Amino acid sequence: NAGVMQNPRHLVRRRGQEARLRCSPMKGHSHVYWYRQLPEEGLKFMVYLQKENIIDESGMPKERFSAEFPKEGPSILRIQQVVRGDSAAYFCASSPLAGPNTGELFFGEGSRLTVL
Amino acid sequence: RKEVEQDPGPFNVPEGATVAFNCTYSNSASQSFFWYRQDCRKEPKLLMSVYSSGNEDGRFTAQLNRASQYISLLIRDSKLSDSATYLCVANSGGYQKVTFGIGTKLQVIP
Repeated sequence: NAGVMQNPRHLVRRRGQEARLRCSPMKGHSHVYWYRQLPEEGLKFMVYLQKENIIDESGMPKERFSAEFPKEGPSILRIQQVVRGDSAAYFCASSPLAGPNTGELFFGEGSRLTVL
Repeated sequence: RKEVEQDPGPFNVPEGATVAFNCTYSNSASQSFFWYRQDCRKEPKLLMSVYSSGNEDGRFTAQLNRASQYISLLIRDSKLSDSATYLCVANSGGYQKVTFGIGTKLQVIP
């Protein structure tokens, strides 16, 4: 039973390029979360999605960032025109249908973005 | 005020010591609470849930104080392998908005 799969694990981009980060949730999980973690800082919530729906994007910067979770395929976090400040680890987490143990998230190994 | 607040530490303790972390949350509607562990440059992993009555898992004990809105994690007989960052998590229910604290860094010293 594969866990949450994220790719790429490491991504290097030059300023102005686009970054696409992918996340395949655990089998049977329909809830996906994206978090950003800067060095020596905590996890910052970005967006929460269910299949084909963005439920909460209150943590997403207003510009350049977008996320989707299509009916088929992985969830994608897209960062356009990257800047150096976007360099961070981006973690995806998934959870099954809401239940009594809400808050139990299963994390992928993260995608580390470096902007040169 | 942050939704979930933790002392970032670091806490440097000798092997065998007992160490406790506290975490406060601001949203009184928070319904469920967890402790996660994150090793350096790794993903967070669930350590344990926190129940109102308190719960224990081996050397780890978690407590919840709803009146004061804080949760705690106690680690007894610290091992070198306990060195990590411990993240406090509160879930404010509804659509499962899960908020992480900044984490408390623990370093167990030989």
